[in-house]
Amino acid sequence: EDKVVQSPLSLVVHEGDTVTLNCSYEVTNFRSLLWYKQEKKAPTFLFMLTSSGIEKKSGRLSSILDKKELFSILNITATQTGDSAIYLCAVNYGGTSYGKLTFGQGTILTVHP
Amino acid sequence: DAGITQSPRHKVTETGTPVTLRCHQTENHRYMYWYRQDPGHGLRLIHYSYGVKDTDKGEVSDGYSVSRSKTEDFLLTLESATSSQTSVYFCAISGRPNRTTMNTEAFFGQGTRLTVV
Repeated sequence: EDKVVQSPLSLVVHEGDTVTLNCSYEVTNFRSLLWYKQEKKAPTFLFMLTSSGIEKKSGRLSSILDKKELFSILNITATQTGDSAIYLCAVNYGGTSYGKLTFGQGTILTVHP
Repeated sequence: DAGITQSPRHKVTETGTPVTLRCHQTENHRYMYWYRQDPGHGLRLIHYSYGVKDTDKGEVSDGYSVSRSKTEDFLLTLESATSSQTSVYFCAISGRPNRTTMNTEAFFGQGTRLTVV
């Protein structure tokens, strides 16, 4: 059965800490892995990864994919209270010319002042 | 905002009644998705569409049907609503028309909060 698993499910840190969020997957015909941030409403796109070992970076956030070991990590350095959110990992997979987009359970990150 | 509108934004309905949620896009994206979000479950795929009149089931499709008669609209119908279908429903789109690859990010609507009493 295809699945996407995130860990930890929740995390509480203080401002300035560095956090690492994990996403592992088992799917057929992998295409890409995506990270999203969800605050009060709709998820917003962070990164899309298709190749192993190539780090994507945006400010204090970075992510990397390991297609051999079937996982990705999302790092957030020098966390701020505004980083408090649900972080969602999704995998795009499937055959022919289209693919399903399946999400993990999400990691709830809480950053205290 | 990627040009996605969900309607209604909130709805309360009674058990056993049919309910239809609408997702409308102005971006001409090829792929459209319906998800439900419940605490502890992340986003779970209900149905998705890869073109007009082309749809397929996701992991939690029981009790739901969909239709896509034109590119811009994707309808989700709860045939006979149950309390277990109380949830927040998100529509998403992907596959920009000038891209040849499926590897594009998905954009989300603002969600519909459905309560079945």
